[in-house]
Amino acid sequence: GAVVSQHPSRVICKSGTSVKIECRSLDFQATTMFWYRQFPKQSLMLMATSNEGSKATYEQGVEKDKFLINHASLTLSTLTVTSAHPEDSSFYICSARAASGRENSYNEQFFGPGTRLTVL
Amino acid sequence: DAKTTQPPSMDCAEGRAANLPCNHSTISGNEYVYWYRQIHSQGPQYIIHGLKNNETNEMASLIITEDRKSSTLILPHATLRDTAVYYCIVRVEIGGSQGNLIFGKGTKLSVKP
Repeated sequence: GAVVSQHPSRVICKSGTSVKIECRSLDFQATTMFWYRQFPKQSLMLMATSNEGSKATYEQGVEKDKFLINHASLTLSTLTVTSAHPEDSSFYICSARAASGRENSYNEQFFGPGTRLTVL
Repeated sequence: DAKTTQPPSMDCAEGRAANLPCNHSTISGNEYVYWYRQIHSQGPQYIIHGLKNNETNEMASLIITEDRKSSTLILPHATLRDTAVYYCIVRVEIGGSQGNLIFGKGTKLSVKP
């Protein structure tokens, strides 16, 4: 199956700093990428959806100025948590979906391994 | 997208079949049933999906009732590595355009030796 990578896998930062998380589709072109957040013992919550070259669409309650999403190419999306605070500590997971084609004949959505953010 | 209801947890003996139920009584005609699983501290992994026919792949089988109001994911010979949270999700698909994957609470499957 297709591979989605995330970097870093784990990050610890001080309160007030900004953190950038990268999400890459390694062997397919992702026209749509998704960012999820997961708190301990809870399910994944969709934060935003982005299409290559256009602005992200944020879910209700997610601050677009705090969680900056850039989807500049068909293989890379970044999530920047600006001025992070301890309550932003979470497991951030990206997901990618390709246009119809060999890897995605039924529009399967592939997930990255996640990035664990800890804000001190 | 229609909501789903799953039992919060299930146990299964290693080597036996694991049958995970899911209710989606409000599913509409253009909504597919997807199953993903998440092993602890990893990203979700696609398992299988279907519309109305039963489906089988190398990982599992998906049985959808005739009225499409419920489905069962079957892992034919569960192993310890199948211990995970299993998510049943319904997602609309119209003319090649898909809705978002919205995760519920899932079923925590524990496979025991």
